[in-house]
Amino acid sequence: ETGVTQSPTHLIKTRGQQVTLRCSSQSGHNTVSWYQQALGQGPQFIFQYYREEENGRGNFPPRFSGLQFPNYSSELNVNALELDDSALYLCASSSGLGGGAQETQYFGPGTRLLVL
Amino acid sequence: DQQVKQNSPSLSVQEGRISILNCDYTNSMFDYFLWYKKYPAEGPTFLISISSIKDKNEDGRFTVFLNKSAKHLSLHIVPSQPGDSAVYFCAAGKGSWGKLQFGAGTQVVVTP
Repeated sequence: ETGVTQSPTHLIKTRGQQVTLRCSSQSGHNTVSWYQQALGQGPQFIFQYYREEENGRGNFPPRFSGLQFPNYSSELNVNALELDDSALYLCASSSGLGGGAQETQYFGPGTRLLVL
Repeated sequence: DQQVKQNSPSLSVQEGRISILNCDYTNSMFDYFLWYKKYPAEGPTFLISISSIKDKNEDGRFTVFLNKSAKHLSLHIVPSQPGDSAVYFCAAGKGSWGKLQFGAGTQVVVTP
């Protein structure tokens, strides 16, 4: 059973550019959530995808968008990059929507994005 | 709007002693709470959770206490071990998995 993987591990972009981050969910998982973790802060929920449909969104502007593919892997796209977008981007996968304290969400190692 | 707060950015504890990490929240609608542990260059890993209908959950060396009236939870680690040195995040959720609100984290250092 493979865990959650993310690519690339590190990325440097300049302000105004666009970026695509990728996430492969754990085998058997059909739900992917994306988080942004700025330096010194906890992860902030961006959005969640369940069976290729967006299922909830945090307080992020529309230039943050995503996709989930039939194999349940996912992409996070950020347009018109700003300096404040520099952060660690984490994805997490789970099986179904579940809920409750029996947490079975698994995080990937993250992609470190630096915007200059 | 920071709904989950960890007011102690760091904690240093001797090996073998108790580590107590604290977390406060503002939204009474949260129905479960979790603690995650994070090592550098790795994603957070789930540690322990508690439902809002309980006040205590224990798993080995880890115990989480929930005080709903005070909107406060704490994580106790007994005894602390060097491998426990990591950043600990408190998180809260309602409804389906994945849409979690995280605190800013507490860096724990366990010294010999």
